[in-house]
Amino acid sequence: DTEVTQTPKHLVMGMTNKKSLKCEQHMGHRAMYWYKQKAKKPPELMFVYSYEKLSINESVPSRFSPECPNSSLLNLHLHALQPEDSALYLCASSQDRGTEAFFGQGTRLTVV
Amino acid sequence: GQNIDQPTEMTATEGAIVQINCTYQTSGFNGLFWYQQHAGEAPTFLSYNVLDGLEEKGRFSSFLSRSKGYSYLLLKELQMKDSASYLCAVRVEAAGNKLTFGGGTRVLVKP
Repeated sequence: DTEVTQTPKHLVMGMTNKKSLKCEQHMGHRAMYWYKQKAKKPPELMFVYSYEKLSINESVPSRFSPECPNSSLLNLHLHALQPEDSALYLCASSQDRGTEAFFGQGTRLTVV
Repeated sequence: GQNIDQPTEMTATEGAIVQINCTYQTSGFNGLFWYQQHAGEAPTFLSYNVLDGLEEKGRFSSFLSRSKGYSYLLLKELQMKDSASYLCAVRVEAAGNKLTFGGGTRVLVKP
């Protein structure tokens, strides 16, 4: 199994909603990442978890709240988002923080 | 911070060769990755270089010169399905080994 699975694939939410993005991998990877990607731009790192602990937060607004319940799962909780937060949210995992990252298919988020 | 530069777009003909250059300026360099990303899809890993030289994988090769802060991705025998964005990403040890991506190069393969 070399997949990183993200759900949902698409999400439309209002600015007052609370929703969560989910990511799962069963490759035994100990580092997991959230990236945000706007159209025609490269992925921008948001958070890194290493061995289930948050190791990097790239000054992301608190309306985005990551959670790593166990070594296979990574969530991103969303609350009071703005329309400019609409983007493709990518989850990735790697054996360790220093090795190549494998990406999920992403969740395309639209905030209305 | 890191400065990673790639050309924005390149066009090439099916069957030809295209070379995508990436230059970077960073301290604590700890490896360079190339990813392919088709529109609306996730990036997929292509290659990794940490030492100077050429790494070959089938139709794709990647080269690194650490002293020059320079890498290229070489795509041979281009196929229509190679039309995609190609992302250069640099890993910096001092920054927790995180990957920082360049702006990406959109390659269009024409018949």
